[in-house]
Amino acid sequence: SQQGEEDPQALSIQEGENATMNCSYKTSINNLQWYRQNSGRGLVHLILIRSNEREKHSGRLRVTLDTSKKSSSLLITASRAADTASYFCATDHSSASKIIFGSGTRLSIRP
Amino acid sequence: DVKVTQSSRYLVKRTGEKVFLECVQDMDHENMFWYRQDPGLGLRLIYFSYDVKMKEKGDIPEGYSVSREKKERFSLILESASTNQTSMYLCASSSAGTATYEQYFGPGTRLTVT
Repeated sequence: SQQGEEDPQALSIQEGENATMNCSYKTSINNLQWYRQNSGRGLVHLILIRSNEREKHSGRLRVTLDTSKKSSSLLITASRAADTASYFCATDHSSASKIIFGSGTRLSIRP
Repeated sequence: DVKVTQSSRYLVKRTGEKVFLECVQDMDHENMFWYRQDPGLGLRLIYFSYDVKMKEKGDIPEGYSVSREKKERFSLILESASTNQTSMYLCASSSAGTATYEQYFGPGTRLTVT
């Protein structure tokens, strides 16, 4: 029962450029989270945005949420080689503790 | 520093073997989860647990069982491993005391069934 769908599936940019990834979902949410996964490792939580928030910042990360369009975007500014990873959105739709992950965007940063 | 550990990073088992994947967290979290991750499919929830001795089926529980005898430990059991269970298995935990359900992940176990 996947809810979040990331777009694009893969993205390759030059170091220093900005990277934008999008996530769309189907039903109303309590909050939306973004995670990063380095190759062959577990996921690491990056940022959470609640359903009543429209934008949130954390360092070089900027997340927006448009509940009317059921979509979110993650912007990474001034990309670095270390940002090479897969990025997943995860949505929380109910009072249950589980969240639902999308299939991810693979980001590659070219030197 | 919060930590979720998994018993093995890599595991190779034969078809029909019983396989145990162990997960331990040191954050006193109530919730624990087992996912499998396959290319193009993202993370799919196998089972989760809200408390000791409690378990709930996720989206793909067939062929798996779980055990949670202690709060810090959540085990995933493949009763009779099959080749279609070759995958990356990820364990996670979260606190029931917050409303955000941020999950903390272990490093993953890459299981190959031959």
